[in-house]
Amino acid sequence: NAGVMQNPRHLVRRRGQEARLRCSPMKGHSHVYWYRQLPEEGLKFMVYLQKENIIDESGMPKERFSAEFPKEGPSILRIQQVVRGDSAAYFCASGQNTEAFFGQGTRLTVV
Amino acid sequence: KQEVTQIPAALSVPEGENLVLNCSFTDSAIYNLQWFRQDPGKGLTSLLLIQSSQREQTSGRLNASLDKSSGRSTLYIAASQPGDSATYLCAVLRIKAAGNKLTFGGGTRVLVKP
Repeated sequence: NAGVMQNPRHLVRRRGQEARLRCSPMKGHSHVYWYRQLPEEGLKFMVYLQKENIIDESGMPKERFSAEFPKEGPSILRIQQVVRGDSAAYFCASGQNTEAFFGQGTRLTVV
Repeated sequence: KQEVTQIPAALSVPEGENLVLNCSFTDSAIYNLQWFRQDPGKGLTSLLLIQSSQREQTSGRLNASLDKSSGRSTLYIAASQPGDSATYLCAVLRIKAAGNKLTFGGGTRVLVKP
């Protein structure tokens, strides 16, 4: 049972481009969380999804950010028109109401 | 709104000394509390999970206690080693019909000096 898989591990985008971050939860898990970690800061909740359903997106910026978790395939965090301030590590976790398991994260650098 | 605080923010100890890391949370209506370890530039590794009905959990040199009514948890690491140097994060899980949320503290950065 592979753990939570995130790809890519590192992503470089120019300002104005789109960034797509993928997360495959652990087998059997149908819940996914996304978190953002800015340099030297803690993890901030962004969104909580179940398959085909956004449950809580209270931590998502109002513009440019979106997330989905389709019936088939990984969860996607999409950032449109990236800006330098979007540079951060983005972590995905999956769980089934108990222990949360985290992926290795995607480190986004906007140049 | 749940707020999680970790004190101290950073800790430096000589090898062999015991470590005591504190975590406090404002809303006691939690489902569980989890301690994680994060190495620089890496992901999070789960160390211990304490259900809200439990008082403590132990794994090797690690022991975590939970006092839900006072909103506190403490992680003890016995006989620290240089390999214990990392950032330690606590997180509390809330389960509601509106959705689950795992809220993190800011972490304690630990340095164990040989």
